[in-house]
Amino acid sequence: EADIYQTPRYLVIGTGKKITLECSQTMGHDKMYWYQQDPGMELHLIHYSYGVNSTEKGDLSSESTVSRIRTEHFPLTLESARPSHTSQYLCASNPGVENFTETQYFGPGTRLLVL
Amino acid sequence: AQKITQTQPGMFVQEKEAVTLDCTYDTSDPSYGLFWYKQPSSGEMIFLIYQGSYDQQNATEGRYSLNFQKARKSANLVISASQLGDSAMYFCAMREGPSTGNQFYFGTGTSLTVIP
Repeated sequence: EADIYQTPRYLVIGTGKKITLECSQTMGHDKMYWYQQDPGMELHLIHYSYGVNSTEKGDLSSESTVSRIRTEHFPLTLESARPSHTSQYLCASNPGVENFTETQYFGPGTRLLVL
Repeated sequence: AQKITQTQPGMFVQEKEAVTLDCTYDTSDPSYGLFWYKQPSSGEMIFLIYQGSYDQQNATEGRYSLNFQKARKSANLVISASQLGDSAMYFCAMREGPSTGNQFYFGTGTSLTVIP
């Protein structure tokens, strides 16, 4: 059973607002990820972290930022939300051991609508 | 080059029939893992099945089986006895081994619709 949580599950917000999407996992995983996904479409990696104080940008350029101050917590922040940010955001994690057999565990997702 | 290719954007299958979802991959790493995930309309990603590059036998999990053809670099998902609840997006993914940083790569997904 995966223990990875995302809040809020749904968010409707106006253009220009600052928002933070929360992601927490209780599995002690070193590696965490943020994906952006439009309905029925592919996942785009926007940020990832391989441990505390380590963050990297993913394949899709994003106006968001992330931080990793604690192992279990990997929040995503949009300084000024725009309608183009409307999407689903999925957080995921997996152990950092050098083991390719371990799956990624996904949170339930946050569906964001920017008006 | 794409690491994971899913060539079927959408598939239809009659209830109780079997269906195969295609996936090919590209890696030079001898150690890798292949995964399939299901994503219903509710949005969560559900892990279905795993196949390791050194596994001799095809993986099976209940009604799911993975048709692993290493020489062809394919890892097709077979769902037997389809049910209405199988209607969802299905994603193939690969995790490369330590020599290439343990990176995860996802395909573009296949939308499966099960017809009553």
